[in-house]
Amino acid sequence: SQKIEQNSEALNIQEGKTATLTCNYTNYSPAYLQWYRQDPGRGPVFLLLIRENEKEKRKERLKVTFDTTLKQSLFHITASQPADSATYLCALLTSSASKIIFGSGTRLSIRP
Amino acid sequence: DAGVIQSPRHEVTEMGQEVTLRCKPISGHNSLFWYRQTMMRGLELLIYFNNNVPIDDSGMPEDRFSAKMPNASFSTLKIQPSEPRDSAVYFCASSLGLAELNEQFFGPGTRLTVL
Repeated sequence: SQKIEQNSEALNIQEGKTATLTCNYTNYSPAYLQWYRQDPGRGPVFLLLIRENEKEKRKERLKVTFDTTLKQSLFHITASQPADSATYLCALLTSSASKIIFGSGTRLSIRP
Repeated sequence: DAGVIQSPRHEVTEMGQEVTLRCKPISGHNSLFWYRQTMMRGLELLIYFNNNVPIDDSGMPEDRFSAKMPNASFSTLKIQPSEPRDSAVYFCASSLGLAELNEQFFGPGTRLTVL
C-alpha cells in the first residue's frame, strides 16, 4: 500500500544548528513534493515545492532535496531559531495532481 | 485578502446530530479542498473541487459525509448523523488551480467534538 513516513519522534535541536527532517515514501511515484509548516491551532502554511526532476530547492534558510531513487525528501533548516519550532508536513502530489497525500508530520523544537 | 475563512471555529454537538461546516475560499482561487486532521490519522484529504465541480471524493469516509460547492465563494461539508469518531479538526484549503505549482492556502480549521 502507498505510505508516507516522516520522523516519528519529535526533533530537538540546539539553536544555530541545522535541523534535518525526513520524508520517505513507498509504492508511490510522486511528481511533486511540498513542505508545509503547521503551528498549534493553525492550518498548514506552504513553504516549498520541488519537482521530481529537481534535486534541490532553496529558499532563504530552507533547503529541500528530492531523491526519487531513495524515495526520500530531506528538509533542512540552517541556522535554526526558536521561532522555527513547529510541526513540518510533507505532501506528495501525482503528476496530474489527482492525488495529494500528506505525511503525519515531524514536530521540531529549537531550544535557545 | 482575508485568506480562507471557515466557520464555525469550534463545534460541539451530540451524537446523531447534523453538523455543517462552512468555507469561503480566497477570491480568484478555482480549487477548494476539504481535509480532516486527527492525531491518529494525520491530515487526510476528503474531497476537492475545481471550478465548483467535485473532482475526487474518494477520501470521504462514508455516506454520512457530503460536500457541496454551490458557487465559487462558498462550500459546505455536512455530516449527518454525526458520530464521536468524527471528532477532529476540519480544514478547508484553496489554490489557484490544480496545477502542481499552485500552493494550497489553508483556513484556520473547525474543531469538531461529537459527544
